[in-house]
Amino acid sequence: QVQLQQWGGGLLKPSETLSLTCAVSGESFTAYHWSWIRQAPGKGLEWIGEINHGGYTNYNPSLASRVTISVDTSKNQFSLKLRSVTAADTAVYYCARLKPPRYFFDYWGQGTLVTVSS
Amino acid sequence: EVVLTQSPDTLSLSPGERATLSCGASQTVSSAYLAWYQQKPGQAPRLLIYGASSRATGVPDRFSGSGSGTDFTLTISRLEPADFAVYYCQQHGGSPRVTFGQGTRLEIK
Repeated sequence: QVQLQQWGGGLLKPSETLSLTCAVSGESFTAYHWSWIRQAPGKGLEWIGEINHGGYTNYNPSLASRVTISVDTSKNQFSLKLRSVTAADTAVYYCARLKPPRYFFDYWGQGTLVTVSS
Repeated sequence: EVVLTQSPDTLSLSPGERATLSCGASQTVSSAYLAWYQQKPGQAPRLLIYGASSRATGVPDRFSGSGSGTDFTLTISRLEPADFAVYYCQQHGGSPRVTFGQGTRLEIK
């Protein structure tokens, strides 16, 4: 059974860097793409970006200047860094598996609430 | 950017009724890359439909998807109490690579 376990985040101050990691177990890491998605309180889903096992990334242009997604294939993990956070970055952040060739999200992490407040 | 607009924002129905949720795209979306998700409070979204009409593993057959081009539909044939949730459509392609609709809240009437 595929599992995505994520950790990190918590309470941040404006201008700090958000860091989250997602560990994947139960199936091949290399056959899929891996994404971060967020959901502000009471709002809809916003895609942040994706990475594959080779390190190829694609980011949402609205966040690209502040986002880095990286991968550690030796640990079957991928990570998110979001720099210079503001209150607008307060959200539940999810990691998710993006399954080619149809590119849908079939497995999700449990979600992590990140709050940005001074 | 492919903008997905879902309608209605809120749908009030009773158990046993049929629900029809719409997802309109600002430009043509390949059916292969259109998916639907269900989200309940405090939970991660759950994949229901991929490729516009294929049910994900374990999804009851009362859920069906259809559509092509710029108009897609999620139908729930006979609502059960567990079906009242928020539903999102999602597409892959273009820039940004992934976009979601704003969601339709399905509530008990």
